[in-house]
Amino acid sequence: NAGVTQTPKFQVLKTGQSMTLQCAQDMNHNSMYWYRQDPGMGLRLIYYSASEGTTDKGEVPNGYNVSRLNKREFSLRLESAAPSQTSVYFCASSETFWDNQPQHFGDGTRLSIL
Amino acid sequence: AQSVAQPEDQVNVAEGNPLTVKCTYSVSGNPYLFWYVQYPNRGLQFLLKYITGDNLVKGSYGFEAEFNKSQTSFHLKKPSALVSDSALYFCAVRVKPLYNFNKFYFGSGTKLNVKP
Repeated sequence: NAGVTQTPKFQVLKTGQSMTLQCAQDMNHNSMYWYRQDPGMGLRLIYYSASEGTTDKGEVPNGYNVSRLNKREFSLRLESAAPSQTSVYFCASSETFWDNQPQHFGDGTRLSIL
Repeated sequence: AQSVAQPEDQVNVAEGNPLTVKCTYSVSGNPYLFWYVQYPNRGLQFLLKYITGDNLVKGSYGFEAEFNKSQTSFHLKKPSALVSDSALYFCAVRVKPLYNFNKFYFGSGTKLNVKP
């Protein structure tokens, strides 16, 4: 049972470099999400995709872009990394956007920007 | 504004004792409440949820939570703690959409330490 798979697990970047975080789910879920987790702040929503072909901004979208490549895959791109983007990034999915089913999370990407 | 508060950064309990992890919320409309657990270097795992009905909800690994509308709380409980319960616990609330935007709000997390 793979569930939600994120790659890479760890990454160190220099300020100004770009990078794409990959996420794939094998549960045939319609909705996918990107969060960042910072100490003492819980999870904050960066972007979400309610269904294939749609993406929308969450709480903290500045500095990020996303692509819903197909139903399975949802990538997050940092165009010009900044130290403030040092965080743990989680991808999640759910069956639909409108119901009350829980979200399923990947194991995260730990990103450090120097 | 919608918010979720976990007033304790850390909870310490001895193995075999009951545990409580607190959560309060402030939302407009009917809340849908969730608890998740996070083990080191892992993503969040769903424990239980309250949508409607019985205020006492039972979930995975022997955990339960009580919804209290008057106190706007949804505390997580377990009658007898295990060392393996040591982890980070997150409360989350999902608000019934007013404008078709159904969003999770997460608390800041509570670290549970269960000592042998």
